[in-house]
Amino acid sequence: GQSLEQPSEVTAVEGAIVQINCTYQTSGFYGLSWYQQHDGGAPTFLSYNALDGLEETGRFSSFLSRSDSYGYLLLQELQMKDSASYFCAVRSLKAAGNKLTFGGGTRVLVKP
Amino acid sequence: GAVVSQHPSRVICKSGTSVKIECRSLDFQATTMFWYRQFPKQSLMLMATSNEGSKATYEQGVEKDKFLINHASLTLSTLTVTSAHPEDSSFYICSAPERGGDEQFFGPGTRLTVL
Repeated sequence: GQSLEQPSEVTAVEGAIVQINCTYQTSGFYGLSWYQQHDGGAPTFLSYNALDGLEETGRFSSFLSRSDSYGYLLLQELQMKDSASYFCAVRSLKAAGNKLTFGGGTRVLVKP
Repeated sequence: GAVVSQHPSRVICKSGTSVKIECRSLDFQATTMFWYRQFPKQSLMLMATSNEGSKATYEQGVEKDKFLINHASLTLSTLTVTSAHPEDSSFYICSAPERGGDEQFFGPGTRLTVL
């Protein structure tokens, strides 16, 4: 089976940096993805790590350590619009059409 | 990026009726689509994998006779909630992976309310 753990909620002020950790226990691990979801909206893709290390995309970066079964999403220069839920998700088998198992989600609240 | 649409966006129905939700990939072909269910402030729970031209694969605990999935073409998958009850009220979201890519594209979701 698969299980992913991430904090349920984080609060920070505009301009701050937030790190959302994700630990996972899976079989057949292939990669770790991060998705953002605003209330009532669809999840949107942020990043994907298949190999160890840091991937940077603008203000958002994602890190993976396969040996530690751990990853994190780093949100820099927080803006009000970053208030949303952030989900880590494990991609288990490439042959299974990119099937994803999601963590419980972290609600990020950005305050002025 | 690729676009996935869902219809309807919102539906209210009486208990005992069936509801069909459509998921379309608008600018790419998807041999596989995924159906998720999400309760308020909770995570996305995978219900089933929809496979074009073959039977869907259901996750453990999901009743396949209650949640009928049909993937009749490379751009359309449908989820039918049969004999809906109030506990089926939820946000249903579909997704499709772009072939060869790492990203999944999600539809905007369907809010189902069963009275």
